Amino acid sequence: DAGVIQSPRHEVTEMGQEVTLRCKPISGHNSLFWYRQTMMRGLELLIYFNNNVPIDDSGMPEDRFSAKMPNASFSTLKIQPSEPRDSAVYFCASSLFTGGVSGNTIYFGEGSWLTVV
Amino acid sequence: TQLLEQSPQFLSIQEGENLTVYCNSSSVFSSLQWYRQEPGEGPVLLVTVVTGGEVKKLKRLTFQFGDARKDSSLHITAAQPGDTGLYLCAESTSGTYKYIFGTGTRLKVLA
Repeated sequence: DAGVIQSPRHEVTEMGQEVTLRCKPISGHNSLFWYRQTMMRGLELLIYFNNNVPIDDSGMPEDRFSAKMPNASFSTLKIQPSEPRDSAVYFCASSLFTGGVSGNTIYFGEGSWLTVV
Repeated sequence: TQLLEQSPQFLSIQEGENLTVYCNSSSVFSSLQWYRQEPGEGPVLLVTVVTGGEVKKLKRLTFQFGDARKDSSLHITAAQPGDTGLYLCAESTSGTYKYIFGTGTRLKVLA
């Protein structure tokens, strides 16, 4: 079974350039998450969608970051303009939210390793 | 904002030793999950605990949820090099889609 698919796996870009990260969630999942991971700050939730609708973007660091989910099988995270402090691993994850108290399994992609120089 | 503190931050032990890592919250968990992340990969779910005092076992791993549901521990018996990785706890607020991860414990098991 295909898991969460992210692209690119690695990207090196110059400061000021636009970066677009892409994600294909697991088919049938209704929730999608974008996380950022750094050594200093750990795994931070940036934004999550339910049924393609952004529910909470309070984790998005600033206006340079934007995320979209035009349909159930695709999402993008865009950084424009990029800065060196944006260097991190960006994870996309998806889940089938059922509303129960027991929590739902989040399935992560392999991550997009971004370096801004 | 809910904070999940994990301890220790780093742990390096010899193969065959036992270890315990901890996850503590500033408020009550609805449920708590433990994930393991290996280098170059995303985190993978190990277990979900829901009930205060609950204990779950996964081979050599034992997970415990505190009675007050504000803390959890992960105990590994006879650690092996394959246990090396970043261990993360995560809390999902009941009725929402929001999952917050802890600060992580980076474990290295030496052969």
